[in-house]
Amino acid sequence: GAGVSQSPSNKVTEKGKDVELRCDPISGHTALYWYRQSLGQGLEFLIYFQGNSAPDKSGLPSDRFSAERTGGSVSTLTIQRTQQEDSAVYLCASSLGSGGTEAFFGQGTRLTVV
Amino acid sequence: AQSVTQPDIHITVSEGASLELRCNYSYGATPYLFWYVQSPGQGLQLLLKYFSGDTLVQGIKGFEAEFKRSQSSFNLRKPSVHWSDAAEYFCAVGAPDYKLSFGAGTTVTVRA
Repeated sequence: GAGVSQSPSNKVTEKGKDVELRCDPISGHTALYWYRQSLGQGLEFLIYFQGNSAPDKSGLPSDRFSAERTGGSVSTLTIQRTQQEDSAVYLCASSLGSGGTEAFFGQGTRLTVV
Repeated sequence: AQSVTQPDIHITVSEGASLELRCNYSYGATPYLFWYVQSPGQGLQLLLKYFSGDTLVQGIKGFEAEFKRSQSSFNLRKPSVHWSDAAEYFCAVGAPDYKLSFGAGTTVTVRA
């Protein structure tokens, strides 16, 4: 498709399990962002990839969170040993370049930790 | 690094009334500025953007925003609000070689 695709759209997991969330950016977009949005809250920046540069991981809330981007395209956000407070919508966005260009958002993955 | 402040967490407006959402940014040079809207249960959609040139920019859904360098502001306006404008609005600032930075968002409630 032409837009940013995220999968799964919904994920329910048990506390303590690991989860992987996937983001397929728009083809040719060099920048990729992950955000977290808790119920009724704004966008919490998690991580930013830009081309071949080292990712900006300054927003990752703990070492249970990690992300990678393979081949400059698909990205996976991994949460290890999930906790209930990890329940949120995880949004991915991509852009053609850095912050000078608009970001296109996916529909998000709703994660529920029970 | 750049940053964005949206001073209003929640605004309630009557249908048909005008709307203005405030956005203040911090950046040393001319920023790239964006407004996004997130309707309930939906993803984020770009309303409008400012890169350079005319400081009054028009967007989709009848929205406009004005860049005021002297006030470091990029306020969003709509002359007449519709019930479908109830949503959360995010202002963002960007720059070459920097990531986009988003404000905390403003929730707009439209009353009949």
